[in-house]
Amino acid sequence: AQSVTQLDSQVPVFEEAPVELRCNYSSSVSVYLFWYVQYPNQGLQLLLKYLSGSTLVKGINGFEAEFNKSQTSFHLRKPSVHISDTAEYFCAVSEETSGSRLTFGEGTQLTVNP
Amino acid sequence: GAVVSQHPSWVICKSGTSVKIECRSLDFQATTMFWYRQFPKQSLMLMATSNEGSKATYEQGVEKDKFLINHASLTLSTLTVTSAHPEDSSFYICSARTGGSNTGELFFGEGSRLTVL
Repeated sequence: AQSVTQLDSQVPVFEEAPVELRCNYSSSVSVYLFWYVQYPNQGLQLLLKYLSGSTLVKGINGFEAEFNKSQTSFHLRKPSVHISDTAEYFCAVSEETSGSRLTFGEGTQLTVNP
Repeated sequence: GAVVSQHPSWVICKSGTSVKIECRSLDFQATTMFWYRQFPKQSLMLMATSNEGSKATYEQGVEKDKFLINHASLTLSTLTVTSAHPEDSSFYICSARTGGSNTGELFFGEGSRLTVL
């Protein structure tokens, strides 16, 4: 079975600063990896995904993530954050044969301060 | 992108009553839908996988008689919380997968917040 660990429960940063949200996963088979964002009292919105190919994945809102198979990591980065990026971010993993059955990390609350 | 809608967004009910939450795929047909539960400040926990025209598959520890799932059409799945109690209060989120896709991409509803008094 797969598992996901988000190493930081809360990340406070100042506006226009860079940010990295860390995610590590565990699985015995090949996986797909995702980052979702959740605004208060809303569902989840897909930021980006890694299925195969280039290990550097670019998503919406200026976010990108890099898949590192040897370190089993999929960290999310943004070079310059905005106040509007304040939200909860979830890393998720799906085994290739599981048919979209996602396992989510615990989430990281990103708070961007002026 | 594809749109998934949940209704109601908020519901308050008395203990012992049943509540139905709808999940609709508005612009695509969803052969598979997933129901998640999210407690405050916590992650999403998969409750069950709903397949159109067949019985739902429940995750370990989820009471199938308490959380009734019906996926009667390719655009609608319902979750009914039967004889609700305060501990059932939570944020329930559904997601849907477009037919034939096994890439894992899901489209999520806005969520439904249930408060049981």
